[in-house]
Amino acid sequence: AQSVTQLDSQVPVFEEAPVELRCNYSSSVSVYLFWYVQYPNQGLQLLLKYLSGSTLVESINGFEAEFNKSQTSFHLRKPSVHISDTAEYFCAVSDPGGYNKLIFGAGTRLAVHP
Amino acid sequence: DAMVIQNPRYQVTQFGKPVTLSCSQTLNHNVMYWYQQKSSQAPKLLFHYYDKDFNNEADTPDNFQSRRPNTSFCFLDIRSPGLGDAAMYLCATSRDHGQPEAFFGQGTRLTVV
Repeated sequence: AQSVTQLDSQVPVFEEAPVELRCNYSSSVSVYLFWYVQYPNQGLQLLLKYLSGSTLVESINGFEAEFNKSQTSFHLRKPSVHISDTAEYFCAVSDPGGYNKLIFGAGTRLAVHP
Repeated sequence: DAMVIQNPRYQVTQFGKPVTLSCSQTLNHNVMYWYQQKSSQAPKLLFHYYDKDFNNEADTPDNFQSRRPNTSFCFLDIRSPGLGDAAMYLCATSRDHGQPEAFFGQGTRLTVV
């Protein structure tokens, strides 16, 4: 069985500061890894994904995440956050041999303050 | 733009009164999913369709049913909503089993009174 642990339920940060949202996973098989962002009363938007290849993946709005197989981690980072980055962030895994069922972590609420 | 559309965005239903939530997609994806997200919790898969094949998660209550009359539409039926069924219901699609990226709709927030 797979599981995802997001180590921080809330992360407060000041605008233009760097941030890291931590994600660890557990799986007996290879996995795909994802970060989704959710704004209040909205659906989930894919932020970035790791399927294979380069372990560092980047999004168009400045976020990046690095797959670390030995540490079973997929932490999300941004060097300088904006007020508009305030949202809930979910880390998720899926089984490549399955039907793309997503197993989500509990989420991290990023609160960016001016 | 191609997308996943859920209607309505907000639904209020009475305790025990059947309710149906709808999802449509213009992506022509084979797989459609329904997730339940309770307040301040992670989304949890209820079931999914691969084309016309229905797949129920083992712990999905019998109170939840689904229909997929064609590729574009998928419905979530809650036969007798209880207070504990109040949640955001998220519909998602993916192209195929080998294409893992899932596209989510905006969700329907269900309130049970």
